[in-house]
Amino acid sequence: AQSVTQLDSQVPVFEEAPVELRCNYSSSVSVYLFWYVQYPNQGLQLLLKYLSGSTLVKGINGFEAEFNKSQTSFHLRKPSVHISDTAEYFCAVRDPYSGAGSYQLTFGKGTKLSVIP
Amino acid sequence: SQTIHQWPATLVQPVGSPLSLECTVEGTSNPNLYWYRQAAGRGLQLLFYSVGIGQISSEVPQNLSASRPQDRQFILSSKKLLLSDSGFYLCAWMATGFTEAFFGQGTRLTVV
Repeated sequence: AQSVTQLDSQVPVFEEAPVELRCNYSSSVSVYLFWYVQYPNQGLQLLLKYLSGSTLVKGINGFEAEFNKSQTSFHLRKPSVHISDTAEYFCAVRDPYSGAGSYQLTFGKGTKLSVIP
Repeated sequence: SQTIHQWPATLVQPVGSPLSLECTVEGTSNPNLYWYRQAAGRGLQLLFYSVGIGQISSEVPQNLSASRPQDRQFILSSKKLLLSDSGFYLCAWMATGFTEAFFGQGTRLTVV
């Protein structure tokens, strides 16, 4: 079964500083990778996804992530954070060849990003 | 465009009471539908998924159940709630091609 590890449960960072949220996944086969953001008491919103092609993926709100197959990582980065980026971020993986029609996503435990003014 | 509705937004229920959470999707047909539960510090746990009407797969044994009476309706139920059922419940659906999941706004359930 797939697993996703988000190495940091909480990341505090000062406003306008860069940030990297780390994500590693277990599968050695091709996977689809996702980053979602969740604001308090809301659902999840897709930030970006990697399906194939270029390993550098750009998403909404100035975020980007780099797929590294050899290190089975998909770290999320932003060069300059804003107060409004304070939220919880989830990394997820989907095996493109998953059977039984479930096509389910497996999520990490999340990283809470706190932007300090 | 496709939208997903989930209600209620918040719910406080006593232990032993029944539960019914509803999720509906608009603007698509025959979607894959999912129920997740989010507990503090534990990420998202997949509870049930459905690939079609009347087809339910359970990922985690518990006192919850799910049903899909219509193509775009997914219901999460319990006959008797436990304290441990408290959490944030999220409904989601997968787009054609299954390359993205869309989430509802969630239901905050507190069992007291």
